[in-house]
Amino acid sequence: NAGVIQTPRHKVTGKGQEATLWCEPISGHSAVFWYRQTIVQGLEFLTYFRNQAPIDDSGMPKERFSAQMPNQSHSTLKIQSTQPQDSAVYLCASSGTGGSQNTLYFGAGTRLSVL
Amino acid sequence: GDKVKQSPSALSLQEGTNSALRCNFSIAATTVQWFLQNPRGSLINLFYLVPGTKENGRLKSAFDSKESYSTLHIRDAQLEDSGTYFCAAGAGTGSNRLTFGKGTKFSLIP
Repeated sequence: NAGVIQTPRHKVTGKGQEATLWCEPISGHSAVFWYRQTIVQGLEFLTYFRNQAPIDDSGMPKERFSAQMPNQSHSTLKIQSTQPQDSAVYLCASSGTGGSQNTLYFGAGTRLSVL
Repeated sequence: GDKVKQSPSALSLQEGTNSALRCNFSIAATTVQWFLQNPRGSLINLFYLVPGTKENGRLKSAFDSKESYSTLHIRDAQLEDSGTYFCAAGAGTGSNRLTFGKGTKFSLIP
């Protein structure tokens, strides 16, 4: 079990460019989450999917951010027209469902730097 | 204010000592998870808790939903325990979404 895999590990974009971040959850996990971590705000929830369906995207900035889960083996987080304030570590996590299966397992994160 | 408040924000201790970290919740937490973010940045799950206690090696954690707090005790601290400890609350039945505290930065003095 390779754990949750996130690619790329680091991404540098220019202001106004698009960034796509990838996540491969643990095989068999039905829930996938995206969080963002900054020094100022800490760990912030963005969105989550269960069985590929979007369940809660209340943490997503309404403009420029979108997330998809086209199949059970990967999810993407897309940021259009990136801004310097989007610079953060973006963390993907997965879990099963029900009781202690809700234990969250995180990937190593993608560090996004917007210049 | 913060929905999940962690204390202390930082802790420096000598190896071999014991410590206690605490989270207070201003949301109706039904579950708690504790994580260690190691110096490489990886978030490692330590405990998943419903009200009650769990123990794993030198770590012990408790969650009291009525009094809205959780604790993490580290016994005989070792260098590999260094990093930032986060607690996170799950609220409501069936809610997988977690609200994180700001973390306790834990440093060991050899």
